[in-house]
Amino acid sequence: QVQLQESGPGLVKPSETLSLTCTVSGYSISSGYYWGWIRQSPGKGLEWIGTIYYGGTTYYNPSLESRLTISLDTSRNQFSLNLSSVTAADTAVFYCTRFAVTPYRYFDVWGRGTLVTVSS
Amino acid sequence: EIVLTQSPDTLSLSPGERATLSCRASQSVSSTYLAWYQQKPGQAPRLLIYGASSRATGIPDRFSGSGSGTDFTLTISGLEPEDFAAYYCQQCGTSPWTFGQGTKVEFK
Repeated sequence: QVQLQESGPGLVKPSETLSLTCTVSGYSISSGYYWGWIRQSPGKGLEWIGTIYYGGTTYYNPSLESRLTISLDTSRNQFSLNLSSVTAADTAVFYCTRFAVTPYRYFDVWGRGTLVTVSS
Repeated sequence: EIVLTQSPDTLSLSPGERATLSCRASQSVSSTYLAWYQQKPGQAPRLLIYGASSRATGIPDRFSGSGSGTDFTLTISGLEPEDFAAYYCQQCGTSPWTFGQGTKVEFK
């Protein structure tokens, strides 16, 4: 059974970088699939952040691309999110996800989510 | 960006009743790339339907999806107590991938 678990600070100061890690169990991320992040806030609902292919290709939401880096660590079976220059608008629950693409596209496995608050 | 508009925002129904949820896209979406998710309070969304009409693993057959182009529908044929939740449509055909704002199915 594939499981995803987010980890990282729950509180980040404005202008700093938000960093989260997703640990995958039950599946090797280097075996395939895409992996990514979605966030949910009361004001903006569910928002796709970005996705990375196990080979390293990334796909980012254009609204976040200038501040965003998603990367893989296959040796630890993890992938990570870095979002720079955060503001209060970045406060949200962040979910890591697995994304299937062939032939259909959908997010089939989700982590439980982690709340990140941006505040001084 | 493709905007997905769900209606109604809230659906008040009783167990056993039929729920019909609508998702309208601002431009055409391939059925291959349209999915539905269920979310209960404090939980992550769960995949219900992919490819507009295919049920995900373990999803009961009272859940069905239909539609094409700009109009998609999720139907719950007879509500069970565990079905009262929020439902979201989502498209992965055109970047950025987007979600609808959600429909909450609540007890009447």
